[in-house]
Amino acid sequence: GAVVSQHPSWVICKSGTSVKIECRSLDFQATTMFWYRQFPKQSLMLMATSNEGSKATYEQGVEKDKFLINHASLTLSTLTVTSAHPEDSSFYICSASGQGNYGYTFGSGTRLTVV
Amino acid sequence: DAKTTQPTSMDCAEGRAANLPCNHSTISGNEYVYWYRQIHSQGPQYIIHGLKNNETNEMASLIITEDRKSSTLILPHATLRDTAVYYCIVRVDPFSGNTPLVFGKGTRLSVIA
Repeated sequence: GAVVSQHPSWVICKSGTSVKIECRSLDFQATTMFWYRQFPKQSLMLMATSNEGSKATYEQGVEKDKFLINHASLTLSTLTVTSAHPEDSSFYICSASGQGNYGYTFGSGTRLTVV
Repeated sequence: DAKTTQPTSMDCAEGRAANLPCNHSTISGNEYVYWYRQIHSQGPQYIIHGLKNNETNEMASLIITEDRKSSTLILPHATLRDTAVYYCIVRVDPFSGNTPLVFGKGTRLSVIA
């Protein structure tokens, strides 16, 4: 079945630094990628939608200059949290859809802790 | 997409059937019912979906009422590994990957030994 690989699984970074999270579709072409954020005991909240080769569309309240999304190829999308602060600590999850994939496939998530 | 209502939490004894209800009284004729689950600290996992007929796969069964205003996800023999948050999502066109899935609060299922 369709597989989405997300790395890293967890990361700890210092406040003010940047962190990059990668999401790869292993056996299909991901024409669309979605990035979600999940705080403890809450549901997934959509951050942005990206189509391959296009600029991402951000949800209201999500800072596009802080959460940089790149979707330059059909198999890779990245989310970079720039100048991270403790309030950015969260569980980040990607989801991909595209040719050869039935429905939506989610990555395993990245737990970001900013200290 | 139609709004869904699910109980906040449920318990189920290991080996028993887990029946998770979902209300979607405003569902439109062309909207499907999806079920996903999220095991702690993992990404959501697709379980099953349906339009109006009951569906079954290797993971679960989906029972949709005749008026389509509610549905029940059935895990026939729950195991400890089925402990997760289960999300019922209603949306048009499951084959379109251009719009995101919108998650509600889901039902936290605890399978107890």
